[in-house]
Amino acid sequence: GNSVTQMEGPVTLSEEAFLTINCTYTATGYPSLFWYVQYPGEGLQLLLKATKADDKGSNKGFEATYRKETTSFHLEKGSVQVSDSAVYFCALPDNFNKFYFGSGTKLNVKP
Amino acid sequence: DAGITQSPRYKITETGRQVTLMCHQTWSHSYMFWYRQDLGHGLRLIYYSAAADITDKGEVPDGYVVSRSKTENFPLTLESATRSQTSVYFCASCWTGNTEAFFGQGTRLTVV
Repeated sequence: GNSVTQMEGPVTLSEEAFLTINCTYTATGYPSLFWYVQYPGEGLQLLLKATKADDKGSNKGFEATYRKETTSFHLEKGSVQVSDSAVYFCALPDNFNKFYFGSGTKLNVKP
Repeated sequence: DAGITQSPRYKITETGRQVTLMCHQTWSHSYMFWYRQDLGHGLRLIYYSAAADITDKGEVPDGYVVSRSKTENFPLTLESATRSQTSVYFCASCWTGNTEAFFGQGTRLTVV
C-alpha cells in the first residue's frame, strides 16, 4: 500500500539557516503529495502540495518538488524563521482517498 | 461558523467507560477521517468514511466504533476505554484524495 517515510527529528536550526526535511514515498500510481504543518496545540494545516511528477509546490517560502525517479518530496526553505518552529508531516492518499502521514519532523528554530 | 469542529477539546475518562468524540464539518465534504496522534507514531488512521452510511477501517480500528448517519457528522466511540487509547484524536475531512484535507483542533483524551 501507499506509505511515506520522513527523516527523524527533531531538527534544530538557527534563524536564517537553510532547511531540508526529507520525505520518500511508496505509491501505486501517481497520487498527489502533500506537506502539512502543525503548530503547537493546533490541528494540521496544509502547507503545500504537488499533483503530478516534476510539479513544485510552494507556500510561505517553503518548496517541495514531486520527484518520480527518486520517489521523493523533500521540503526546503532557504531561510527559516523562529515562527517556522512546528511539526511537519509528509502525506499522500491511496486509491481509496485515505490519507497516510509520515511520523512527523519537529523543527526548532533558535533566534 | 464554517469549518470542522471537534468536541470536547479535552476529556478525562476512566478505564472501561464508553466515550464518544464528536466531529462536525460544514462543507459537505464526502470524506471524513479519524486519526490518533502519539509520540513516535505520527498520525495513524483509525476509521474513515467515503459518504454517509459508508465507513471502513484504517490502520488501528480495534476498540473503536464509528457511524455516519449524516454527511456533516462523524462521531468516534470508544466502547470500553483502555489506557492505551490515551492520545490526541484528530478528525479531518476532504472532497477527494487530490484535495486538501481540513483538520479539527483535536481532542486530548486521557484514560485513567
